Amino acid sequence: EDKVVQSPLSLVVHEGDTVTLNCSYEVTNFRSLLWYKQEKKAPTFLFMLTSSGIEKKSGRLSSILDKKELFSILNITATQTGDSAVYLCAVLTKGGSEKLVFGKGMKLTVNP
Amino acid sequence: EPEVTQTPSHQVTQMGQEVILRCVPISNHLYFYWYRQILGQKVEFLVSFYNNEISEKSEIFDDQFSVERPDGSNFTLKIRSTKLEDSAMYFCASTVYSGANVLTFGAGSRLTVL
Repeated sequence: EDKVVQSPLSLVVHEGDTVTLNCSYEVTNFRSLLWYKQEKKAPTFLFMLTSSGIEKKSGRLSSILDKKELFSILNITATQTGDSAVYLCAVLTKGGSEKLVFGKGMKLTVNP
Repeated sequence: EPEVTQTPSHQVTQMGQEVILRCVPISNHLYFYWYRQILGQKVEFLVSFYNNEISEKSEIFDDQFSVERPDGSNFTLKIRSTKLEDSAMYFCASTVYSGANVLTFGAGSRLTVL
């Protein structure tokens, strides 16, 4: 059975801290790994990672994939209260059609 | 920015009733999906839909569930006879084409079955 595991499941930090979110996976037919940010509404896309070792960066957020060890990390530097959200890791797999297999999500709370 | 629109945002229904959740995908997207998230649990794949037919469905998507694209813009999920365990947030998603592409999600429809 395809599996995506995120850790930690929740984290409380202070503004300005740096956080690292972990995502490991065991899936057949891996296509890519995606990170989403979920606030009160729709999950919003952050990154899609397909190749190992290539860091993707967007402002204070960055992410990298290790296809040999089957994990990805999402880093957030200089956290702000607006970063408070649930961060979802999902792996895109190819079976009869493509579908996302999600982890449980990591709830990040950034306190002022 | 184009978005996936879902209605209703919240529906409360009695067990055994039929429910239809509606989605308007982004207009040039061709692949459509339903996912659900039971409170406190993972987001789970339900079904994918392309070219007016189901491409793949999960074990959750049993005979009580159906999807259709009745008019070329709406994409609906019907639950024929709701059960308590159907209470969840249901997300619609769409993408332009298959092939390691990014799914755009709607804001979700929260279904509460009493």
